[in-house]
Amino acid sequence: AQSVTQLDSQVPVFEEAPVELRCNYSSSVSVYLFWYVQYPNQGLQLLLKYLSGSTLVKGINGFEAEFNKSQTSFHLRKPSVHISDTAEYFCAVSASGGSNYKLTFGKGTLLTVNP
Amino acid sequence: GAVVSQHPSRVICKSGTSVKIECRSLDFQATTMFWYRQFPKQSLMLMATSNEGSKATYEQGVEKDKFLINHASLTLSTLTVTSAHPEDSSFYICSAGINTNYGYTFGSGTRLTVV
Repeated sequence: AQSVTQLDSQVPVFEEAPVELRCNYSSSVSVYLFWYVQYPNQGLQLLLKYLSGSTLVKGINGFEAEFNKSQTSFHLRKPSVHISDTAEYFCAVSASGGSNYKLTFGKGTLLTVNP
Repeated sequence: GAVVSQHPSRVICKSGTSVKIECRSLDFQATTMFWYRQFPKQSLMLMATSNEGSKATYEQGVEKDKFLINHASLTLSTLTVTSAHPEDSSFYICSAGINTNYGYTFGSGTRLTVV
């Protein structure tokens, strides 16, 4: 089984500042890792995913994340945030190597970008 | 890109009645669909996994007789909340996909309020 810990429930930042949302995972098998964003009363939108290959993954909206196997982390970063980035962000993990593995989500981090 | 349509977006029903939520993959055939429940300011809890043409697999603690899932075709899965009670009020989200590598797309969610 897998588990995900998002260390910060809320992260307030000012517009144009850099931000890092932290995610650690636990798993006894190799994993795939994902970051999703959720705007109020909406479903989830995939920001980026790590399946294999380069540990630095670039996603949509200027976000990127780095997979660190030794630290079992997959932190999400953006060098300069906008007001429109205010949303809930979820880190998720699934076991790799199969075709239909379910996602296990962290509890989410609310990113609030202030002017 | 892959589009998943979830309907209705909001529903209010009386206690004791049943409610059906639809999840459709619009431009691809989804061999697997997942149903999640999200409580306010919390993460997504996987309720069940449904594969086309077979019975859904429910997660531990989820009442299969209360949350009926049907995946009758490769483009449609339904979740029926039977004999709804106020404690069933929640945000329900589906996701659909072909496999983990390809990725799963989420619907926009259904806000269920039982009065």
